[in-house]
Amino acid sequence: SAVISQKPSRDICQRGTSLTIQCQVDSQVTMMFWYRQQPGQSLTLIATANQGSEATYESGFVIDKFPISRPNLTFSTLTVSNMSPEDSSIYLCSVAPQGVYGYTFGSGTRLTVV
Amino acid sequence: KQEVTQIPAALSVPEGENLVLNCSFTDSAIYNLQWFRQDPGKGLTSLLLIQSSQREQTSGRLNASLDKSSGRSTLYIAASQPGDSATYLCAVSGNTPLVFGKGTRLSVIA
Repeated sequence: SAVISQKPSRDICQRGTSLTIQCQVDSQVTMMFWYRQQPGQSLTLIATANQGSEATYESGFVIDKFPISRPNLTFSTLTVSNMSPEDSSIYLCSVAPQGVYGYTFGSGTRLTVV
Repeated sequence: KQEVTQIPAALSVPEGENLVLNCSFTDSAIYNLQWFRQDPGKGLTSLLLIQSSQREQTSGRLNASLDKSSGRSTLYIAASQPGDSATYLCAVSGNTPLVFGKGTRLSVIA
């Protein structure tokens, strides 16, 4: 299955600033996904990122707040902009199923906004 | 809209017990069902993937079953160990990417 390297693993940020999270995949994948997991909650899909086109955002998430880049088939970034304490969550990237391996996830970025 | 429910929300058992975690989903038109494990503050580790044409999958002490028509899946853990303590998440994929349940938080007491 694909191996995803996600950075940073954690960060503490000041409100009003932005943080960019990176995911590098060890193989070419068509679709990448970004999820948010708020404290004590399950995962919620933020957007789907396809190479060469704009990301598709789920209801409740907008591009100005969560801009996504997908410059090639192995890399994507998610930026959390103008952060507030409500953005404190774990953010995870994922790639689409590859045969019998199913969805694969990065190790997550634990973000705390103070 | 697909909804996934997991019961129980939390479970505490003594070491060595066999246990069952339950997952139900509202739309039976799924491609796959996947069980994950999540340790506190960490990412997700895939445990088992059941494709829609399959009834069950096994890996070591874990066995997952799928009844697509009734919208149910179970994860069976045999001879539980303290190292099994984690949150277990069920997720289904269909025409949309993965939809997750809220998870079952498992504590195995030595």
